[in-house]
Amino acid sequence: EAQVTQNPRYLITVTGKKLTVTCSQNMNHEYMSWYRQDPGLGLRQIYYSMNVEVTDKGDVPEGYKVSRKEKRNFPLILESPSPNQTSLYFCASSLIGPRETQYFGPGTRLLVL
Amino acid sequence: AQKVTQAQTEISVVEKEDVTLDCVYETRDTTYYLFWYKQPPSGELVFLIRRNSFDEQNEISGRYSWNFQKSTSSFNFTITASQVVDSAVYFCALSEANRDDKIIFGKGTRLHILP
Repeated sequence: EAQVTQNPRYLITVTGKKLTVTCSQNMNHEYMSWYRQDPGLGLRQIYYSMNVEVTDKGDVPEGYKVSRKEKRNFPLILESPSPNQTSLYFCASSLIGPRETQYFGPGTRLLVL
Repeated sequence: AQKVTQAQTEISVVEKEDVTLDCVYETRDTTYYLFWYKQPPSGELVFLIRRNSFDEQNEISGRYSWNFQKSTSSFNFTITASQVVDSAVYFCALSEANRDDKIIFGKGTRLHILP
């Protein structure tokens, strides 16, 4: 089944404790992206990757890192999480870029205490 | 600059009524792509439609229809004979051809269909 998977789905952590949210897709897509969803703000792009080893900042990259060592994986790293990073995070992928239909993962709900 | 405005934050209608969700966009590109996504209460994001700027034909898919008007920079979404299962947050999004790597979403419209 074609899908985007994210893990974990739910995470409670404390300020400053490094964490990684994994994202994997099995559709051989070139483009992958991370978004955060906050009430009243909609979806905002954090980072994206046009292909392996190529990543770039979205609209809200502060406090996040990503890497794209393989086509299928695009982990989101919070080196030192803070409470303002409490949010719902979505990973997405598409064939060649955001002009194509994006397929979203199920979301990761993060609470930083 | 890219911008997507969904002015309706929240809408409530009674089941079987028709409802239109508004989406107004701003772009300097002549080639761009517009999308609608649905987020039901379960939380996942579901693709509904993609439209490129050269295709102004309206689209109908069952009870869903989309009205794309370049003259007013709008891409509105209408649900006919709404059902409780249509209750969700709906997002409109824009991707410009010369910004091959970015997409911007509106803030979403939360739709409540009351039984």
